[in-house]
Amino acid sequence: QVQLVESGGGVVQPGRSLRLSCAASGFTFSYYSFHWVRQAPGKGLEWVAVISDDGNNKYYADSVKGRFTISRDNSKNTMYLQMKSLRPEDTAVYYCAREEKYTGSYHFDQWGQGTLVTVSS
Amino acid sequence: DIVLTQSPDSLAVSLGERATINCKSSQSVLYSSNNKNYLAWYQQKPGQPPKLLIYWASTRESGVPDRFSGSGSGTDFTLTISSLQAEDVAVYYCQQSYTTSPERMYNFGQGTKLEIK
Repeated sequence: QVQLVESGGGVVQPGRSLRLSCAASGFTFSYYSFHWVRQAPGKGLEWVAVISDDGNNKYYADSVKGRFTISRDNSKNTMYLQMKSLRPEDTAVYYCAREEKYTGSYHFDQWGQGTLVTVSS
Repeated sequence: DIVLTQSPDSLAVSLGERATINCKSSQSVLYSSNNKNYLAWYQQKPGQPPKLLIYWASTRESGVPDRFSGSGSGTDFTLTISSLQAEDVAVYYCQQSYTTSPERMYNFGQGTKLEIK
C-alpha cells in the first residue's frame, strides 16, 4: 500500500540546521511531485515547498525561501527538506504529501504521519 | 498571492443536522481553459494528518462518504456535510493550487473546527 514516512525531526537550537526525509513505498515514486506542509502546535496548515517529479522544478513559501531546500533522490524513493538558519517560528510538525498526478488538479492525495521539529534554545 | 478565508472559524452542529463551511478566495481559482476550480477540501482529525475529501471544488475523492459535498466557483466555495456523524468531528481546510505564473503556490485556509452540539 502507499506509504510516506517522514523522519529527521527533533529539537534544534535557533540558527542551526536540520534535514528531514520522506521515504515512499507502494507506488512509482519518480512519477509524482511531492510537497512539504507544516503545522505549528495548535495552528493550521502551512504549505512549505514542492518539487517536481524529475526534481528540476522547486517552489517555496516566502516564509522559508532562501533558508530551506527541497530535493529528492528517485533511486532511493526519498524526498528531503534541508532546513538552515532555523527560527523558533519554524517549530511545527512537518508532513510530506504526494501531489495527485492523473487529474491535473494539484491536490494532495497521500500524506505521511509527520515529524516534529522544535526550534528552541 | 491568493488568500483563502474560511468561515466560520468554529462550528457546533447537532448529530444528523447539516454542517456548512465556507471558503472565500481573494482571487478567482477558476482556470478558464478547462473550466476547473483549483480548490480542494481536507479533513484533519486530532493527531492525524489531513485527509483529502474534495478536489476540483466538487469532486469527491474515492471512498469519501456521499454526505460530504463541495460546491462553488470562482471565489466562493462551500463544503457541506448533509447529516453530521460523530466521526466527522475534525478541522476542515480548503486549499487552492491555482496560478498563472511559473511559481506554484498551494496555500490553505485557516481551518474550521467542527464540533458536536
